[in-house]
Amino acid sequence: AQSVTQLDSQVPVFEEAPVELRCNYSSSVSVYLFWYVQYPNQGLQLLLKYLSGSTLVKGINGFEAEFNKSQTSFHLRKPSVHISDTAEYFCAVKRNSGNTPLVFGKGTRLSVIA
Amino acid sequence: EPEVTQTPSHQVTQMGQEVILRCVPISNHLYFYWYRQILGQKVEFLVSFYNNEISEKSEIFDDQFSVERPDGSNFTLKIRSTKLEDSAMYFCASSEVRAAYEQYFGPGTRLTVT
Repeated sequence: AQSVTQLDSQVPVFEEAPVELRCNYSSSVSVYLFWYVQYPNQGLQLLLKYLSGSTLVKGINGFEAEFNKSQTSFHLRKPSVHISDTAEYFCAVKRNSGNTPLVFGKGTRLSVIA
Repeated sequence: EPEVTQTPSHQVTQMGQEVILRCVPISNHLYFYWYRQILGQKVEFLVSFYNNEISEKSEIFDDQFSVERPDGSNFTLKIRSTKLEDSAMYFCASSEVRAAYEQYFGPGTRLTVT
């Protein structure tokens, strides 16, 4: 079975400051890794994904994440946040064999302060 | 850009009543999923569906739940006799057979059981 731990439930940050949202996972099999964003009253939108290859992946809206296999982490970063980045961010994993379900973390609420 | 749609956006029902949540997946996708998110908790997998049958289901997906693809476009989740604890946001997702990893989510249906 897989599990995902998002270490911070809430992260307040000032506008234009950098941010890192932490994600650790546990799995006995190889997985794909994802970050999804949920803006208020909206569904889940894929920010970025790691499937294989380069461990640094870039996504939409200036976000990037780094896969660290030894630390089983997939932290999300942005060098300079905007008010519009205020949202809930979910880290997720899925087994990389076939069409398997996503396992989500509890989410991190990012609040960008003007 | 094609997207997953869900109706209704909000459903209020009385305990014990049957509800049907509807989803229209992206047209060339063949794998379909339902997830739910109880307020303040993580997004949880309910069921996946392919080729007119359930591929995988979670422990949450008990006999009170059923899924169906009644025609070429809709994908439905039925809860036969709703309980208070069924109150949640229900998300539909779909993915391509070829890609088999990137799931596209709809905006969700908020179900409130009173």
